[in-house]
Amino acid sequence: DADVTQTPRNRITKTGKRIMLECSQTKGHDRMYWYRQDPGLGLRLIYYSFDVKDINKGEISDGYSVSRQAQAKFSLSLESAIPNQTALYFCATSEPGTVLTFGAGSRLTVL
Amino acid sequence: RKEVEQDPGPFNVPEGATVAFNCTYSNSASQSFFWYRQDCRKEPKLLMSVYSSGNEDGRFTAQLNRASQYISLLIRDSKLSDSATYLCVVPRAGAGSYQLTFGKGTKLSVIP
Repeated sequence: DADVTQTPRNRITKTGKRIMLECSQTKGHDRMYWYRQDPGLGLRLIYYSFDVKDINKGEISDGYSVSRQAQAKFSLSLESAIPNQTALYFCATSEPGTVLTFGAGSRLTVL
Repeated sequence: RKEVEQDPGPFNVPEGATVAFNCTYSNSASQSFFWYRQDCRKEPKLLMSVYSSGNEDGRFTAQLNRASQYISLLIRDSKLSDSATYLCVVPRAGAGSYQLTFGKGTKLSVIP
């Protein structure tokens, strides 16, 4: 099994729908992150969490929300999806001072 | 200067060639730097960390020039399997905690 698992891997939805992307990890890391990647752009940080009670906005949090249900689970929600949220979304984990381990990504298309 | 800026690429090189990518950064306080490799439609994976003047791992060498604020990645004896996008990653300027800024990436294609 992968260290960081994202579900769903692919999702097509319509404008205005609520979408949840889920992430779970088996590495025992405290820190979890959500990034999005768009063609021609670098990965951009949406939200990050350093423990279950700690949630922080990243560079591009507008239109997104997150929930840290447990140390191992960090979900990303789009309350009302819009087409410019079409992107590849990555969850990642780390320990302090260590590098990121990414999930395989969730490709979201909003029509 | 942008937080992180990379050679735009793409780089198309023959097998066996030596290729180098550069990356400039704006945060002069950065102490650690990373090169990640990303295959098409896959997740980024750590290739090398750079904490001092440089780091070498087999065919891969990363060098850091703090005075000029750039890091480079040198790949010797290129293999077909080296074809990927290489991401330069730098701690984010002004961030109160551990946040990273990713470059847009440099695409490498190694040709038979």
